[in-house]
Amino acid sequence: GAGVSQTPSNKVTEKGKYVELRCDPISGHTALYWYRQSLGQGPEFLIYFQGTGAADDSGLPNDRFFAVRPEGSVSTLKIQRTERGDSAVYLCASSQQATGIYNEQFFGPGTRLTVL
Amino acid sequence: GNSVTQMEGPVTLSEEAFLTINCTYTATGYPSLFWYVQYPGEGLQLLLKATKADDKGSNKGFEATYRKETTSFHLEKGSVQVSDSAVYFCALRGGGYNKLIFGAGTRLAVHP
Repeated sequence: GAGVSQTPSNKVTEKGKYVELRCDPISGHTALYWYRQSLGQGPEFLIYFQGTGAADDSGLPNDRFFAVRPEGSVSTLKIQRTERGDSAVYLCASSQQATGIYNEQFFGPGTRLTVL
Repeated sequence: GNSVTQMEGPVTLSEEAFLTINCTYTATGYPSLFWYVQYPGEGLQLLLKATKADDKGSNKGFEATYRKETTSFHLEKGSVQVSDSAVYFCALRGGGYNKLIFGAGTRLAVHP
């Protein structure tokens, strides 16, 4: 079946603009995660959804970042008033369950965000 | 807090050489440990995992053993191939959290 998909694959924006990044998880996966990967670094956790609710948003760097998952499937990461430091690859992952033996996280290809 | 430290790259090897990429961790409780691989132009893929002390994860000729006494999860392969060239990430999940915590990644380049 289809894996995790993310759109767009690349996004170039200007400082101060608003952007939305979309994630389509694997069908039936209840848990969804967002990570951010800066150049030369490992992914860093941003937020995790269990169903429609954000179960852990401790990784969001500030209130310019917000994410939703209104129907428990597709998720959108929203960044307001973008800054050059927001430039990174934003990764989405999903897992069948959050805990237990079906908790392997499957990653999407990422959205490369460049803020000029 | 929880953290992962892995050896800096790049690691450059000739085909059929032995590979070790070191990974150590700091965590409360009993985390699960993972190695992920990112091939050029592709997304992160789970390579192997271990969920408790002394477990050995293995896949595609790669192995790693969960060593609680040394808080390590070193990745090894006896004979690397050019197709193993990629970036390798060590990660943990634990402390009651579902998020993964990654190391900085180690780039491996294998030459014929």
